[in-house]
Amino acid sequence: SAVISQKPSRDICQRGTSLTIQCQVDSQVTMMFWYRQQPGQSLTLIATANQGSEATYESGFVIDKFPISRPNLTFSTLTVSNMSPEDSSIYLCSVAQGANYGYTFGSGTRLTVV
Amino acid sequence: DAKTTQPPSMDCAEGRAANLPCNHSTISGNEYVYWYRQIHSQGPQYIIHGLKNNETNEMASLIITEDRKSSTLILPHATLRDTAVYYCIVTKANSGYALNFGKGTSLLVTP
Repeated sequence: SAVISQKPSRDICQRGTSLTIQCQVDSQVTMMFWYRQQPGQSLTLIATANQGSEATYESGFVIDKFPISRPNLTFSTLTVSNMSPEDSSIYLCSVAQGANYGYTFGSGTRLTVV
Repeated sequence: DAKTTQPPSMDCAEGRAANLPCNHSTISGNEYVYWYRQIHSQGPQYIIHGLKNNETNEMASLIITEDRKSSTLILPHATLRDTAVYYCIVTKANSGYALNFGKGTSLLVTP
């Protein structure tokens, strides 16, 4: 299965600033997915990133707040913009590998906004 | 995607089998049942998936009822390291579909 390198693993940021999270996959994948996991909660899908087109955002998430880049089939970034303490969460990327394979997740980025 | 229902928490003694149930009564014919687990502060880990036949791998067994409306994940000999939140997810097996996570079952394996 694919191996995902996600960076940074954690960060503490000042409110009003932005953080860019990177996910590098060791193989080419069509779709990449970005999730948020708020403290004590399950994972919530933020958006789906397809190479060469704009990401598709889920209800409650907007591009201005969470811009995503997908420059090639092995890499994607998620930016958390103009952060507030409510953005303190774990952010995870994920890829799927076809009909009969599971989905692989990055190790997550633990973000704390102060 | 079909909705799933899982008990919020379960306990299991170390060395015993852990049987985690999942209801998915609205599952459609082309949807698979996936199981993932998340150990504290880590990314979710794939365990197993199936369509209608029972499946077994080195981690677990998946038993799907004949009507496909429910399934059970079996960890045959639970260890302390199996303490985690277990998610049952139903989705079409196509890389264009994201996994939608419910609340899962928090499994505590005790000595």
